[in-house]
Amino acid sequence: TQLLEQSPQFLSIQEGENLTVYCNSSSVFSSLQWYRQEPGEGPVLLVTVVTGGEVKKLKRLTFQFGDARKDSSLHITAAQPGDTGLYLCAARNNQGGKLIFGQGTELSVKP
Amino acid sequence: EAGVAQSPRYKIIEKRQSVAFWCNPISGHATLYWYQQILGQGPKLLIQFQNNGVVDDSQLPKDRFSAERLKGVDSTLKIQPAKLEDSAVYLCASSLRGGGGTEAFFGQGTRLTVV
Repeated sequence: TQLLEQSPQFLSIQEGENLTVYCNSSSVFSSLQWYRQEPGEGPVLLVTVVTGGEVKKLKRLTFQFGDARKDSSLHITAAQPGDTGLYLCAARNNQGGKLIFGQGTELSVKP
Repeated sequence: EAGVAQSPRYKIIEKRQSVAFWCNPISGHATLYWYQQILGQGPKLLIQFQNNGVVDDSQLPKDRFSAERLKGVDSTLKIQPAKLEDSAVYLCASSLRGGGGTEAFFGQGTRLTVV
């Protein structure tokens, strides 16, 4: 069974602070995605990484895919209250394309 | 472009009753997913279809849950009989195809409460 382990599970910080969320697995994935989910809504894609060592930036968010394609991190610089939400990593295995999710990191950014 | 449509948005039933959820994916999307999400947790894949064939249903409790995607378009997920632990949000998603870095688009979900 493939598992995606996210840490931390909960994070409460003040506006302006930096943070990093991690997504780890013992399995190798062909691609990894990060989604953000707000209450009452479905997850929305933030980024997809497909190459080991790849780094992608989306405004104040920086995403990195591990060299071995088993782990990823999401770094937020100068967090804003609008960044509050559930951050989910998701990945497909090398066969079949089954899309699985981690358990999520609940981020709260206080003004 | 219309998004993924799900209905109903909310449902309250008593345990041992049956319930059905409906999903209409984005037009042209071959892959359809049903997820169960417990409050504060990540979505758990119940079943993934490619057109009208099943890609994976390894975590679908087949003694009580069933899903179908007739004609490879819309889909229904049924629970019969429901248990208290089935209380969750049921999310439907679709993607253009099943592999690679394809983006999954989600509906707003159906919040099920079993009492």
